[in-house]
Amino acid sequence: AQTVTQSQPEMSVQEAETVTLSCTYDTSENNYYLFWYKQPPSRQMILVIRQEAYKQQNATENRFSVNFQKAAKSFSLKISDSQLGDTAMYFCAFMMLTRDDKIIFGKGTRLHILP
Amino acid sequence: GAVVSQHPSWVICKSGTSVKIECRSLDFQATTMFWYRQFPKQSLMLMATSNEGSKATYEQGVEKDKFLINHASLTLSTLTVTSAHPEDSSFYICSADEGTGGRETQYFGPGTRLLVL
Repeated sequence: AQTVTQSQPEMSVQEAETVTLSCTYDTSENNYYLFWYKQPPSRQMILVIRQEAYKQQNATENRFSVNFQKAAKSFSLKISDSQLGDTAMYFCAFMMLTRDDKIIFGKGTRLHILP
Repeated sequence: GAVVSQHPSWVICKSGTSVKIECRSLDFQATTMFWYRQFPKQSLMLMATSNEGSKATYEQGVEKDKFLINHASLTLSTLTVTSAHPEDSSFYICSADEGTGGRETQYFGPGTRLLVL
């Protein structure tokens, strides 16, 4: 069974700093997707970034980038120039493209951006 | 981008009553919809996978007679919490994918907060 582990329950950084959120996963599959989702206080789940396992190049979306290490089964999220609006719960997630396409979420990291 | 709505956004009900939550894909057809439950300060737990025109697939430990799911059309799935009790109080979130060509992207609804008194 696939599992997703986020070892940092909570983090705080000053505005404008760079922060890295850790995520490791376990799977025996070779083809899958990895995601980082943001859940702000409104509780709306927002897709931050997505990585296809078959792509070696790390995904980037503006200030958000990932460090995808497939052999190590690691998928960390780096937020550059952090902003107050980045304060949220961040979930790392895994999905295998099977008949039911289930997403498995980690327990989340609560990120506080301090002014 | 694709939008998923949920209705109601919050509901308060008495113990023993049934509550229906709707999940709609507004600008795309969703072959598959998913229902999650989220307790305060916890992660999303998948409850069931709903496929249009067929029975839902429930995760282990989820009572299918308690949480009735109907996916009657390509844009609508409903979750009915039958004979709700206080322990059913939670935040319920649905998501939907676009099917072939878009299965790797799921769009989440804004969630429904259920409080059972």
